[in-house]
Amino acid sequence: KAGVTQTPRYLIKTRGQQVTLSCSPISGHRSVSWYQQTPGQGLQFLFEYFSETQRNKGNFPGRFSGRQFSNSRSEMNVSTLELGDSALYLCASSLDAGLSSGNTIYFGEGSWLTVV
Amino acid sequence: QKEVEQDPGPLSVPEGAIVSLNCTYSNSAFQYFMWYRQYSRKGPELLMYTYSSGNKEDGRFTAQVDKSSKYISLFIRDSQPSDSATYLCAMSATLTGGGNKLTFGTGTQLKVEL
Repeated sequence: KAGVTQTPRYLIKTRGQQVTLSCSPISGHRSVSWYQQTPGQGLQFLFEYFSETQRNKGNFPGRFSGRQFSNSRSEMNVSTLELGDSALYLCASSLDAGLSSGNTIYFGEGSWLTVV
Repeated sequence: QKEVEQDPGPLSVPEGAIVSLNCTYSNSAFQYFMWYRQYSRKGPELLMYTYSSGNKEDGRFTAQVDKSSKYISLFIRDSQPSDSATYLCAMSATLTGGGNKLTFGTGTQLKVEL
């Protein structure tokens, strides 16, 4: 069974540009979450989507946005890139929208974004 | 103060040692507790998942949750060089609108020496 797939794995962008990252969840998983990982702040929650609706949102500026498609695939977008946006962006999927009933959260390998 | 505190290490142990990794937290609403292992330049890999208080064992790994003390632990028995990685604790509350939102510790870097 394929895991969470993220593309692209590595990318370099210039300040002020925008970037779109893609995530394909594990087959049958309907919840997709995004996290940012940096050396200074660790792993921080960006947002979560379930059935094409944003269910939860972290404390990030509006430059960070996302969406989910009917096949559960998700994209996140960062506009007007800043140097501080350089990070590993991780996508995670789970079977359903909550952690009850033993639903667990699985992460992809991440997309490494460098802003120069 | 962060909601989840975790000693960043690094922690260096000899092969075969018992490793103890810990996290403390301040949010009493946390009910779901997880441990992830992350190798360099890889995504986090789920090791253990525990709901509420108690112990859970899986092979060489044992997870303990003490909600009264707001303290969770991961024990690794017979540690191997392949266990060298960063170990992240993560936890979540039941959200009003449903869904998932994990709060992570900063991670403890573990090195198991031959």
